[in-house]
Amino acid sequence: LAKTTQPISMDSYEGQEVNITCSHNNIATNDYITWYQQFPSQGPRFIIQGYKTKVTNEVASLFIPADRKSSTLSLPRVSLSDTAVYYCLVGPGKMNTGGFKTIFGAGTRLFVKA
Amino acid sequence: GAVVSQHPSWVICKSGTSVKIECRSLDFQATTMFWYRQFPKQSLMLMATSNEGSKATYEQGVEKDKFLINHASLTLSTLTVTSAHPEDSSFYICSATQGVSSDTQYFGPGTRLTVL
Repeated sequence: LAKTTQPISMDSYEGQEVNITCSHNNIATNDYITWYQQFPSQGPRFIIQGYKTKVTNEVASLFIPADRKSSTLSLPRVSLSDTAVYYCLVGPGKMNTGGFKTIFGAGTRLFVKA
Repeated sequence: GAVVSQHPSWVICKSGTSVKIECRSLDFQATTMFWYRQFPKQSLMLMATSNEGSKATYEQGVEKDKFLINHASLTLSTLTVTSAHPEDSSFYICSATQGVSSDTQYFGPGTRLTVL
């Protein structure tokens, strides 16, 4: 399973764009990159997923360079409610056994200030 | 779509009792479900992976006789903490996946277990 490395914490101000980078040097060919958001005492919430290049949805963008050894989650114009822990996961895809698992890293604690 | 529920959302029990936590995929069939445990200010720790109709695969260091997992249908998995002790107090989270190659996991809201 590919190990991920993220900054432990980041601070930002309301209205700013926040970019959180994740390193995954040993990503496998069939791995996808997925980002989750977690608030205290809640389950993680899916934000975005990608395989290569750029993916954008209504809440975030995900940038993946050609070598796929890193990825960057971009949150445009953050608000106080975006204060949370953000996890970057690299999944092995569906294994031949019919199952797969994902290992959570430490995540990045984002603090958005007024 | 892709909603996962957990019941109960919180539970307080006495030491030595057993507690069952349910995880349901409400609008999709989950071929695989995962159980995690999370201590305060720590990341999620995978406990086990379960596929419908087969025995769960436990992570190293997780006692399978203490944390009983049953995945009887494509929409329901249960985690039973047997003979709970205070050190089992934690936030338990399940997730489910539809099993497609993109392996997106959808998480339940979690269950706060407090063992007195």
